[in-house]
Amino acid sequence: EVQLLESGGGLVQPGGSLRLSCSASEFTFSNYAMTWVRQAPGKGLEWVAVISGSGATTYYADSAKGRFTISRDNSKNTLYLQMNNLKAEDTAVYYCAQGKRSAYLNWFDPWGQGTLVTVSS
Amino acid sequence: QSALTQPASVSGSPGQSITVSCTGSSSDVGGYNYVSWYQHHPGKAPKLMIYDVSNRPSGVSNRFSGSKSGNTASLTISGLQAEDEADYYCSSYASTDIVLFGGGTKLTVL
Repeated sequence: EVQLLESGGGLVQPGGSLRLSCSASEFTFSNYAMTWVRQAPGKGLEWVAVISGSGATTYYADSAKGRFTISRDNSKNTLYLQMNNLKAEDTAVYYCAQGKRSAYLNWFDPWGQGTLVTVSS
Repeated sequence: QSALTQPASVSGSPGQSITVSCTGSSSDVGGYNYVSWYQHHPGKAPKLMIYDVSNRPSGVSNRFSGSKSGNTASLTISGLQAEDEADYYCSSYASTDIVLFGGGTKLTVL
């Protein structure tokens, strides 16, 4: 069974940085796109970014462009999200999820349990 | 681009059927067959229920079905069960190379 485990969340001040990790197991990690999706308190799901299996192709939501960087280390079966210049509105549970081998901007399954990021002074 | 439009809530009694709508535009829902639906029980990982408009992943009950007409996609749940009570989100590929989610619909099983 595919396992996805997020880590790295926590409390950070506005303007600060944080790097989230998503450790994957039980599938050939490098064959699949991976994505980050977040959910702010009391709000719906919001797609953040996706990266291809090789790491060569990335796409971002407008809210993430210029501040967030999605990356992966296929030798470690790990996905990352580097978040810089964090704002209060970035406060959310961040989920990683497995994508497809191609057509990266499509469905995602399965998902991890999420890690909470709180941006506050 | 704006989020896809879903009703905030729907409800039904056990055994009944309900439909959740998801309205976008010709640049997303209407332009591509890349609509998916997710079930989310608060505090748990979201679960894919429908992909590519009307396909069910292995293990998802055939009580769940999806369809699309024009710029509106729909999720229908038949034979409602108590465990179906959850939040449901649609998503779609959009022409600007992004993924859009709907605002979510809270399903209450009466």
